[in-house]
Amino acid sequence: EVLLVESGGDLVQPGRSLRLSCTTSGFNFNYYSMHWVRQVPGKGLEWVSGLTWGSRIIEYSDSVKGRFTISRDNSKASLYLQMNSLRIEDTAFYYCARASSSSDVVVSGYFDLWGRGTLVTVSS
Amino acid sequence: EIVLTQSPGTLSLSPGERATLSCRASQSVTRSYLAWYQQKRGQPPRLLIYGPSSRATGIPDRFSGSGSGTDFTLTISRLEPEDFAVYYCQQYATSPYTFGQGTKLEIK
Repeated sequence: EVLLVESGGDLVQPGRSLRLSCTTSGFNFNYYSMHWVRQVPGKGLEWVSGLTWGSRIIEYSDSVKGRFTISRDNSKASLYLQMNSLRIEDTAFYYCARASSSSDVVVSGYFDLWGRGTLVTVSS
Repeated sequence: EIVLTQSPGTLSLSPGERATLSCRASQSVTRSYLAWYQQKRGQPPRLLIYGPSSRATGIPDRFSGSGSGTDFTLTISRLEPEDFAVYYCQQYATSPYTFGQGTKLEIK
């Protein structure tokens, strides 16, 4: 069975840090670009960041650039999101998603697999 | 940034009817790299259509996608009760990989 399981979501104060993890199984993680997408409860979807299978190409949305760092450990089939200088507006469910791209120079692709998400709440 | 505008915001239809959802881009989407997702309450999005007319694995053939350039359409030929949900379009051609604001398909 193909699974993506996010963890690490929590309630944190503004300015603090948090690290999200996405553990995967059931497919060759080494072969795919991976992304983070977030969703404020009850609102729409917002792409956050993505990277290629070999981390050669890494992209961020302007809203998180300079504060968030995406990374992966192919030996552990895991994706990470280090979130620093958190703001109230970062409050959302964070989903990891597998992209269709298997190139190390093309990070984009349609998102064919999604985890169930982990909730990050930034509040004082 | 490519802005995607979905219409209508809410669509009220009955089971058995045909649904037509629109997604308009602020600039041309290269190679028609546009996807459609379905999201039900409390669940993650599910890929329905990509590229813009290919159905994802396991998606029934009552779902179809079309369009090019700046105008794209998702059609559900005959609505089933399980189709009532929120639908999002997304362009994956140009970073940032933006989503539309969603269309809520509700039972009339």
